Amino acid sequence: KQEVTQIPAALSVPEGENLVLNCSFTDSAIYNLQWFRQDPGKGLTSLLLIQSSQREQTSGRLNASLDKSSGRSTLYIAASQPGDSATYLCAVVNQAGTALIFGKGTTLSVSS
Amino acid sequence: DAGVTQSPTHLIKTRGQQVTLRCSPKSGHDTVSWYQQALGQGPQFIFQYYEEEERQRGNFPDRFSGHQFPNYSSELNVNALLLGDSALYLCASSAQGAYGYTFGSGTRLTVV
Repeated sequence: KQEVTQIPAALSVPEGENLVLNCSFTDSAIYNLQWFRQDPGKGLTSLLLIQSSQREQTSGRLNASLDKSSGRSTLYIAASQPGDSATYLCAVVNQAGTALIFGKGTTLSVSS
Repeated sequence: DAGVTQSPTHLIKTRGQQVTLRCSPKSGHDTVSWYQQALGQGPQFIFQYYEEEERQRGNFPDRFSGHQFPNYSSELNVNALLLGDSALYLCASSAQGAYGYTFGSGTRLTVV
């Protein structure tokens, strides 16, 4: 059974810091991996999608990497801002491409 | 271009009642998935619909059922509501043969 773990569960940083969020999964047979952002009580906003054949994706200040063989992904946020405060969720898509399996998320707080 | 639309946004029901939640997928998407997110947890996969049929189901009891219409919109029905069904219910749409999921803002269901 696929399990997704995110470390740390919570993170507080001052504005301007670079930071890394970690995601690990137990089964390397994935279709792809997607990072989401969730503001309190709201839906999910897709940040980055990495296909299983790719190693990384970049969008603005965000960079996500994927190492299928070790079952790990990282989300790198450069020059953090207070507006980045949210919960970040990592999800792998099962090999059939039919379901997302989520971690519990990392709650990020960026202080000005 | 409208994204995923869910209704209603909030709902309060009494234990034992039945509820229907609705979802309209993003334009161009033909597949709809439903997720349940309890407070402080990652979303859990309920089921996915494609071509008006349930394609895959997660570990949820038969009280949870769904339907997809010819216009790709979908409904989630929950019978005999329990207090533990209180959660944020998220709808996600995707396109067969393409990558990535788009989520709606969710329906907050409270069972009292």
